[in-house]
Amino acid sequence: GAVVSQHPSWVICKSGTSVKIECRSLDFQATTMFWYRQFPKQSLMLMATSNEGSKATYEQGVEKDKFLINHASLTLSTLTVTSAHPEDSSFYICSALGPGSGRYEKLFFGSGTQLSVL
Amino acid sequence: AQSVSQHNHHVILSEAASLELGCNYSYGGTVNLFWYVQYPGQHLQLLLKHFSGDPLVKGIKGFEAEFIKSKFSFNLRKPSVQWSDTAEYFCAVNANRGSTLGRLYFGRGTQLTVWP
Repeated sequence: GAVVSQHPSWVICKSGTSVKIECRSLDFQATTMFWYRQFPKQSLMLMATSNEGSKATYEQGVEKDKFLINHASLTLSTLTVTSAHPEDSSFYICSALGPGSGRYEKLFFGSGTQLSVL
Repeated sequence: AQSVSQHNHHVILSEAASLELGCNYSYGGTVNLFWYVQYPGQHLQLLLKHFSGDPLVKGIKGFEAEFIKSKFSFNLRKPSVQWSDTAEYFCAVNANRGSTLGRLYFGRGTQLTVWP
């Protein structure tokens, strides 16, 4: 089946630094990808919708200048957490819509990235 | 805004016991409903979905879910669980509009532990 690769799977960084997380669709082209975050014992929260070649659409309350999303190709979307702070520590998950959108069998998830900001 | 509530945070069962995980959502319009499963160390996978039609839907591995519109519920069931069903289960909702395709709103998840 289709695979979405997310990298890194975990990262520890110092407060004030920036961290980039990559989401790749390995065997299909994804015009649309989604970024979620999950705090311990809470829901996955949709952060933004990433469309190839255009600006991302952010959910209400998500700072677009802090969470920079770039979807420069049909197989890669990146999320950069800029000037990370301890409150940004969370589990980040991406998902990608395969071709022929409209069928949720074609929504595939990455394995997630655990970010810890010291 | 849409919200999804999963009533049980952690469920512990013995093999062969019956399972029901609750899910309620708050959205007045037409919705698409999903259950996802995440086995230890693996990606989220689609278990089953309901878009329209028969309110009782069957998914993989013997799971089923019933959509009760009047109760805004979409509970997941399995008559006899197995040790291999140990996983985290997420209920998710999407407003049935093309422009929001893929914008899923998740419940907090229910950890199911099945003892052999």
